[in-house]
Amino acid sequence: DSGVTQTPKHLITATGQRVTLRCSPRSGDLSVYWYQQSLDQGLQFLIQYYNGEERAKGNILERFSAQQFPDLHSELNLSSLELGDSALYFCASSAGTRGTGELFFGEGSRLTVL
Amino acid sequence: EDQVTQSPEALRLQEGESSSLNCSYTVSGLRGLFWYRQDPGKGPEFLFTLYSAGEEKEKERLKATLTKKESFLHITAPKPEDSATYLCAVVRFSGGYNKLIFGAGTRLAVHP
Repeated sequence: DSGVTQTPKHLITATGQRVTLRCSPRSGDLSVYWYQQSLDQGLQFLIQYYNGEERAKGNILERFSAQQFPDLHSELNLSSLELGDSALYFCASSAGTRGTGELFFGEGSRLTVL
Repeated sequence: EDQVTQSPEALRLQEGESSSLNCSYTVSGLRGLFWYRQDPGKGPEFLFTLYSAGEEKEKERLKATLTKKESFLHITAPKPEDSATYLCAVVRFSGGYNKLIFGAGTRLAVHP
Protein backbone atom coordinates (compact mmCIF):
# COMPACT_ATOMS: atom_id res chain seq x y z
CA ASP A 1 0.00 0.00 0.00
CA SER A 2 1.56 3.28 -1.20
CA GLY A 3 -0.58 5.47 1.03
CA VAL A 4 -2.03 7.33 -1.96
CA THR A 5 -5.80 6.94 -2.31
CA GLN A 6 -7.71 7.46 -5.54
CA THR A 7 -11.44 7.41 -6.14
CA PRO A 8 -13.36 6.17 -8.00
CA LYS A 9 -11.51 3.01 -9.07
CA HIS A 10 -13.70 2.58 -12.13
CA LEU A 11 -15.85 5.03 -14.03
CA ILE A 12 -17.94 4.52 -17.16
CA THR A 13 -19.46 7.52 -18.85
CA ALA A 14 -20.55 8.83 -22.24
CA THR A 15 -18.90 11.15 -24.71
CA GLY A 16 -19.44 14.81 -23.95
CA GLN A 17 -19.78 14.25 -20.22
CA ARG A 18 -17.65 15.59 -17.37
CA VAL A 19 -16.05 13.60 -14.56
CA THR A 20 -13.98 14.35 -11.48
CA LEU A 21 -11.24 12.10 -10.18
CA ARG A 22 -10.07 12.46 -6.61
CA CYS A 23 -6.71 11.84 -4.97
CA SER A 24 -5.49 11.91 -1.39
CA PRO A 25 -1.67 11.97 -1.17
CA ARG A 26 0.48 10.15 1.38
CA SER A 27 0.42 11.74 4.79
CA GLY A 28 2.93 14.59 4.83
CA ASP A 29 3.47 14.75 1.06
CA LEU A 30 2.95 18.20 -0.38
CA SER A 31 3.37 17.41 -4.09
CA VAL A 32 0.69 15.72 -6.15
CA TYR A 33 1.13 14.56 -9.73
CA TRP A 34 -1.39 13.33 -12.27
CA TYR A 35 -0.49 10.85 -14.98
CA GLN A 36 -2.51 9.29 -17.79
CA GLN A 37 -1.76 5.75 -18.96
CA SER A 38 -3.21 4.32 -22.13
CA LEU A 39 -2.18 1.29 -24.16
CA ASP A 40 -0.75 3.30 -27.03
CA GLN A 41 0.74 6.24 -25.12
CA GLY A 42 2.27 4.74 -22.02
CA LEU A 43 2.49 6.80 -18.85
CA GLN A 44 2.10 10.49 -19.69
CA PHE A 45 2.68 13.31 -17.21
CA LEU A 46 -0.26 15.70 -16.98
CA ILE A 47 0.29 18.16 -14.15
CA GLN A 48 1.93 18.70 -10.76
CA TYR A 49 0.78 20.68 -7.75
CA TYR A 50 2.77 21.62 -4.68
CA ASN A 51 1.00 22.80 -1.54
CA GLY A 52 -1.96 24.10 -3.51
CA GLU A 53 -0.05 25.74 -6.37
CA GLU A 54 0.47 24.48 -9.89
CA ARG A 55 4.18 23.73 -10.38
CA ALA A 56 4.61 21.89 -13.65
CA LYS A 57 2.52 21.10 -16.67
CA GLY A 58 2.84 18.26 -19.13
CA ASN A 59 0.64 17.18 -22.00
CA ILE A 60 -2.61 18.16 -20.35
CA LEU A 61 -5.50 19.01 -22.67
CA GLU A 62 -7.40 22.26 -22.28
CA ARG A 63 -10.52 20.18 -21.53
CA PHE A 64 -8.77 18.89 -18.43
CA SER A 65 -8.12 20.86 -15.27
CA ALA A 66 -6.86 20.10 -11.81
CA GLN A 67 -6.53 21.68 -8.43
CA GLN A 68 -5.07 20.93 -5.03
CA PHE A 69 -7.05 21.94 -1.97
CA PRO A 70 -5.84 23.25 1.42
CA ASP A 71 -6.09 19.76 2.90
CA LEU A 72 -3.74 18.68 0.06
CA HIS A 73 -6.14 16.38 -1.69
CA SER A 74 -6.36 16.94 -5.42
CA GLU A 75 -9.02 16.63 -8.09
CA LEU A 76 -8.63 16.13 -11.82
CA ASN A 77 -11.59 17.36 -13.85
CA LEU A 78 -12.12 15.96 -17.33
CA SER A 79 -14.77 17.60 -19.49
CA SER A 80 -16.26 17.20 -22.96
CA LEU A 81 -15.05 13.64 -22.83
CA GLU A 82 -14.02 11.84 -26.00
CA LEU A 83 -13.52 8.15 -26.70
CA GLY A 84 -9.78 8.72 -26.70
CA ASP A 85 -9.85 9.88 -23.10
CA SER A 86 -10.46 6.30 -21.98
CA ALA A 87 -7.41 5.44 -19.90
CA LEU A 88 -6.04 4.79 -16.46
CA TYR A 89 -5.47 8.01 -14.53
CA PHE A 90 -2.87 7.82 -11.79
CA CYS A 91 -2.18 10.19 -8.98
CA ALA A 92 1.21 10.17 -7.31
CA SER A 93 2.69 12.09 -4.44
CA SER A 94 6.11 13.02 -3.12
CA ALA A 95 7.45 15.09 -0.29
CA GLY A 96 9.50 17.53 -2.36
CA THR A 97 8.66 20.62 -4.32
CA ARG A 98 11.06 20.50 -7.25
CA GLY A 99 9.97 17.03 -8.27
CA THR A 100 12.05 13.93 -7.85
CA GLY A 101 11.80 10.57 -9.52
CA GLU A 102 10.72 8.78 -6.37
CA LEU A 103 6.98 9.01 -6.55
CA PHE A 104 4.32 7.04 -4.70
CA PHE A 105 1.45 6.09 -6.98
CA GLY A 106 -2.14 5.32 -6.18
CA GLU A 107 -3.94 2.38 -7.75
CA GLY A 108 -5.50 4.53 -10.42
CA SER A 109 -8.93 5.42 -11.72
CA ARG A 110 -9.97 3.53 -14.84
CA LEU A 111 -12.08 5.75 -17.07
CA THR A 112 -14.11 4.26 -19.89
CA VAL A 113 -15.82 6.66 -22.28
CA LEU A 114 -18.54 5.07 -24.44
CA GLU B 1 14.12 15.79 -27.97
CA ASP B 2 14.41 13.89 -24.70
CA GLN B 3 13.53 10.23 -25.13
CA VAL B 4 13.39 7.05 -23.11
CA THR B 5 13.34 3.77 -25.03
CA GLN B 6 12.95 0.39 -23.40
CA SER B 7 13.67 -3.00 -24.90
CA PRO B 8 12.49 -5.58 -25.36
CA GLU B 9 8.77 -4.72 -25.29
CA ALA B 10 8.03 -8.14 -23.84
CA LEU B 11 10.17 -10.91 -22.40
CA ARG B 12 9.24 -14.42 -21.44
CA LEU B 13 11.58 -16.32 -19.12
CA GLN B 14 11.59 -19.66 -17.44
CA GLU B 15 11.95 -19.61 -13.68
CA GLY B 16 15.65 -19.36 -12.88
CA GLU B 17 16.61 -18.04 -16.32
CA SER B 18 18.53 -14.79 -15.78
CA SER B 19 18.23 -11.89 -18.23
CA SER B 20 18.50 -8.13 -18.61
CA LEU B 21 16.12 -5.34 -19.57
CA ASN B 22 17.44 -2.26 -21.35
CA CYS B 23 16.59 1.41 -21.03
CA SER B 24 18.31 3.84 -23.36
CA TYR B 25 17.87 7.54 -22.95
CA THR B 26 18.66 10.83 -24.56
CA VAL B 27 18.15 13.71 -22.18
CA SER B 28 19.93 16.98 -21.65
CA GLY B 29 21.57 16.98 -18.27
CA LEU B 30 20.43 13.74 -16.66
CA ARG B 31 19.14 14.38 -13.16
CA GLY B 32 18.40 10.80 -12.33
CA LEU B 33 17.22 7.54 -13.84
CA PHE B 34 14.53 5.56 -12.08
CA TRP B 35 13.15 2.05 -12.30
CA TYR B 36 9.59 1.19 -11.37
CA ARG B 37 7.64 -2.05 -11.29
CA GLN B 38 3.98 -2.10 -12.30
CA ASP B 39 1.64 -5.02 -11.69
CA PRO B 40 -1.53 -5.32 -13.80
CA GLY B 41 -4.22 -2.91 -12.64
CA LYS B 42 -1.91 -1.28 -10.10
CA GLY B 43 0.11 1.89 -9.91
CA PRO B 44 3.86 1.84 -10.51
CA GLU B 45 6.03 1.00 -7.52
CA PHE B 46 9.41 2.66 -7.11
CA LEU B 47 12.44 0.34 -7.24
CA PHE B 48 15.71 2.22 -7.80
CA THR B 49 17.31 5.59 -8.39
CA LEU B 50 20.61 5.94 -10.29
CA TYR B 51 22.35 9.27 -10.67
CA SER B 52 25.73 8.75 -12.28
CA ALA B 53 27.43 6.45 -14.76
CA GLY B 54 28.92 3.41 -13.06
CA GLU B 55 26.40 3.43 -10.25
CA GLU B 56 24.70 0.16 -9.31
CA LYS B 57 21.79 -0.65 -7.00
CA GLU B 58 20.51 -4.06 -5.88
CA LYS B 59 17.32 -5.36 -4.39
CA GLU B 60 16.72 -9.07 -3.98
CA ARG B 61 17.00 -10.60 -7.48
CA LEU B 62 17.19 -7.23 -9.23
CA LYS B 63 20.27 -5.15 -10.01
CA ALA B 64 20.18 -1.84 -11.86
CA THR B 65 23.22 -0.34 -13.57
CA LEU B 66 23.79 2.94 -15.38
CA THR B 67 26.07 4.09 -18.19
CA LYS B 68 26.15 7.45 -19.95
CA LYS B 69 23.55 6.36 -22.48
CA GLU B 70 21.62 3.47 -20.99
CA SER B 71 20.58 1.53 -17.95
CA PHE B 72 20.14 -2.18 -17.45
CA LEU B 73 17.90 -4.00 -15.05
CA HIS B 74 19.42 -7.42 -14.46
CA ILE B 75 17.16 -10.14 -13.13
CA THR B 76 18.98 -13.08 -11.57
CA ALA B 77 17.21 -16.42 -11.19
CA PRO B 78 13.74 -14.88 -11.57
CA LYS B 79 10.64 -16.30 -9.95
CA PRO B 80 7.04 -16.13 -11.20
CA GLU B 81 6.32 -13.35 -8.72
CA ASP B 82 8.79 -11.15 -10.63
CA SER B 83 6.32 -11.07 -13.51
CA ALA B 84 5.31 -7.44 -14.06
CA THR B 85 5.93 -4.48 -16.34
CA TYR B 86 9.19 -2.72 -15.57
CA LEU B 87 9.25 0.98 -16.32
CA CYS B 88 12.27 3.19 -16.71
CA ALA B 89 12.04 6.96 -16.23
CA VAL B 90 14.34 9.96 -16.38
CA VAL B 91 14.07 13.35 -14.80
CA ARG B 92 14.11 16.24 -17.25
CA PHE B 93 14.57 19.78 -16.04
CA SER B 94 12.11 22.01 -17.90
CA GLY B 95 10.46 25.30 -17.10
CA GLY B 96 12.22 25.54 -13.77
CA TYR B 97 11.03 22.18 -12.55
CA ASN B 98 11.91 18.54 -12.80
CA LYS B 99 9.56 16.35 -14.81
CA LEU B 100 9.61 12.56 -14.77
CA ILE B 101 9.47 11.06 -18.27
CA PHE B 102 8.62 7.36 -18.53
CA GLY B 103 9.52 4.78 -21.15
CA ALA B 104 6.88 2.41 -22.53
CA GLY B 105 8.03 -0.44 -20.31
CA THR B 106 9.06 -4.08 -20.67
CA ARG B 107 6.42 -6.71 -19.89
CA LEU B 108 8.15 -9.58 -18.12
CA ALA B 109 6.52 -12.98 -17.74
CA VAL B 110 8.31 -15.63 -15.68
CA HIS B 111 6.94 -19.13 -16.03
CA PRO B 112 7.50 -22.00 -13.57
